[in-house]
Amino acid sequence: DGGITQSPKYLFRKEGQNVTLSCEQNLNHDAMYWYRQDPGQGLRLIYYSQIVNDFQKGDIAEGYSVSREKKESFPLTVTSAQKNPTAFYLCASSIKGQANQPQHFGDGTRLSIL
Amino acid sequence: AQKVTQAQTEISVVEKEDVTLDCVYETRDTTYYLFWYKQPPSGELVFLIRRNSFDEQNEISGRYSWNFQKSTSSFNFTITASQVVDSAVYFCALGHSGYALNFGKGTSLLVTP
Repeated sequence: DGGITQSPKYLFRKEGQNVTLSCEQNLNHDAMYWYRQDPGQGLRLIYYSQIVNDFQKGDIAEGYSVSREKKESFPLTVTSAQKNPTAFYLCASSIKGQANQPQHFGDGTRLSIL
Repeated sequence: AQKVTQAQTEISVVEKEDVTLDCVYETRDTTYYLFWYKQPPSGELVFLIRRNSFDEQNEISGRYSWNFQKSTSSFNFTITASQVVDSAVYFCALGHSGYALNFGKGTSLLVTP
């Protein structure tokens, strides 16, 4: 089945620790995105990538980092600089990074602080 | 400014009632795209529909229908004869000159038997 796989489903972070959220897609999509969802809030864009080896900051990039070394993979690292990391993180992809393209989402990773 | 407003935070209906979810958007672009997504309790967002700014035809898909009105900058979503499985959070989103989507804060719909 084609789709987007996010892992792990649940993740716990200790103070001062960096953690990495995995996102893999086998849809052959060029563009990938990371969103953060807080209770009662919409989705806010963290980073996006339109092609391999290129990515752009979104609205709330501070405290996060990404890489795009392969077309199918777009991991997100939540660094210790992110002081309020507890949230639901969603990865998405689209055929191209264009405004008319529907985005397809993974099941999400729920990150909590220990 | 690009913005999507979903004024209804939570809606509760009894099964078989019709329900309309409101979406109002703001954009300066003449070409833009509107989307609706469903987020069931499992968390994954499911794409429901896309509408471009040049096409104001309403659309019906089974029990779902969408009413796009440029004059009022609205793109409302109606579920007819609601069912318990329709319980979810529904998001309206705007795609414009940028590459990502602007999402509204979502409307949580609870359908009770």
